[in-house]
Amino acid sequence: AQSVTQLDSQVPVFEEAPVELRCNYSSSVSVYLFWYVQYPNQGLQLLLKYLSGSTLVKGINGFEAEFNKSQTSFHLRKPSVHISDTAEYFCAVRESTGTASKLTFGTGTRLQVTL
Amino acid sequence: DAGVIQSPRHEVTEMGQEVTLRCKPISGHNSLFWYRQTMMRGLELLIYFNNNVPIDDSGMPEDRFSAKMPNASFSTLKIQPSEPRDSAVYFCASSFGRGPSYEQYFGPGTRLTVT
Repeated sequence: AQSVTQLDSQVPVFEEAPVELRCNYSSSVSVYLFWYVQYPNQGLQLLLKYLSGSTLVKGINGFEAEFNKSQTSFHLRKPSVHISDTAEYFCAVRESTGTASKLTFGTGTRLQVTL
Repeated sequence: DAGVIQSPRHEVTEMGQEVTLRCKPISGHNSLFWYRQTMMRGLELLIYFNNNVPIDDSGMPEDRFSAKMPNASFSTLKIQPSEPRDSAVYFCASSFGRGPSYEQYFGPGTRLTVT
C-alpha cells in the first residue's frame, strides 16, 4: 500500500524568504506524485505533478518540486514567498500501474507567511 | 467552466437526522470522487465512481454512509442516521479518465456539523 508523510505540520516564514515543504512517500510500485494547495474555505487546487521525465517539475505560482527516487521524496520549494501563499499544502501519491485512481494524501503542511 | 459544484456549502443538523450532500462534476468528466477531511484523519477517500459505477467504496466508514451516481452529472452522499463524529468537510472531485495520471478537480466542499 502507498503512503505519504509530510513531516512538518506548520511552516512559518517571512515574506520574500525561500521555503521548502517536505514530502516523503512509500510504495512498492512506481508512482505519480502531486502537490495540491488549499486556501481557506476552498477546495484543493493542483499546484504541480510528476508523471515521468525531468525530475524537476515547475508548477503554478512560482512553485517547483523535485522528485528523488532514491530518497523517495518530492519536496516543494519556492525561492521567494508572498503573503498570498499562506495556505495548506498537501502532497499526494498514486500508483502508476493499472487503472487505479486512488489518490493518497499526506496530512498537510500549513504555510504561514508573515511580513 | 463552472467547476465542480457542491451543495449545500454548510449543513448543520442534529444527531440522528438524515443528511444528503450533492455534487455536480465538471461536464465531460467520467470519474467522481468523494473525500472527507477532518483534523484528526486528514483527507480520506470515501468512494469513487467511473462512468457512474462505484469502483472502490472501501473508504466508506460504515453502513450509515451511502453514495449514488444516477447519471453523469449528479452524485449524492447520504448519511443516515448522522452522528457528531461525522462532522467534517466533505469534498467532491472529478476527473476525465480513469488512469492514475489524470488530474482531479475539487469542489469547494460541504462543511457538515452534527450536534
